[in-house]
Amino acid sequence: NAGVTQTPKFQVLKTGQSMTLQCAQDMNHEYMSWYRQDPGMGLRLIHYSVGAGITDQGEVPNGYNVSRSTTEDFPLRLLSAAPSQTSVYFCASSYRQGKETQYFGPGTRLLVL
Amino acid sequence: DAKTTQPPSMDCAEGRAANLPCNHSTISGNEYVYWYRQIHSQGPQYIIHGLKNNETNEMASLIITEDRKSSTLILPHATLRDTAVYYCIVRPNTGTASKLTFGTGTRLQVTL
Repeated sequence: NAGVTQTPKFQVLKTGQSMTLQCAQDMNHEYMSWYRQDPGMGLRLIHYSVGAGITDQGEVPNGYNVSRSTTEDFPLRLLSAAPSQTSVYFCASSYRQGKETQYFGPGTRLLVL
Repeated sequence: DAKTTQPPSMDCAEGRAANLPCNHSTISGNEYVYWYRQIHSQGPQYIIHGLKNNETNEMASLIITEDRKSSTLILPHATLRDTAVYYCIVRPNTGTASKLTFGTGTRLQVTL
């Protein structure tokens, strides 16, 4: 299994540009989520999904959209990038509801100029 | 979800046991204690979790006090590769699995 994969690893955007961060998992996990991590801070939940076709907002959802058309993929869309979205983005997945552990991807480092 | 309190940093000599404390005095009866770690620039990695009994796996041991208001993660023989930020998280065993609330954790530095 490849686990949780994220692309791209690095990205530089100009203010106002849009882009999609890709996340995929091959473990047949129902639950997927996106976090952002800013310097010196813990991870903050952006959006999450409890299964294909179902998404919900986390702690810091503004400026981001998600969709979950398949179990494997959970892309994160930045509609109009802002410098405040400069961060490291992590995708995570877990098998099912409850006390299941989460598996994290390697992260995408995003710089918005 | 209950909040946790961890020391911001700790040092440990290589080969020694690293004992990382966590206070979760407002933990509820249905909340588990989870530990994750994040090695520099990588995604967080699951270590161990428990409800009220002590737990051990190949990576670490988790000691939870009888009143469940605090816990200690033990790395029995720390190596340089264990240098990381360690996060103590409490969350219920039902509800949305995706919600992990990360604090700022403890930065463990393992030295020669």
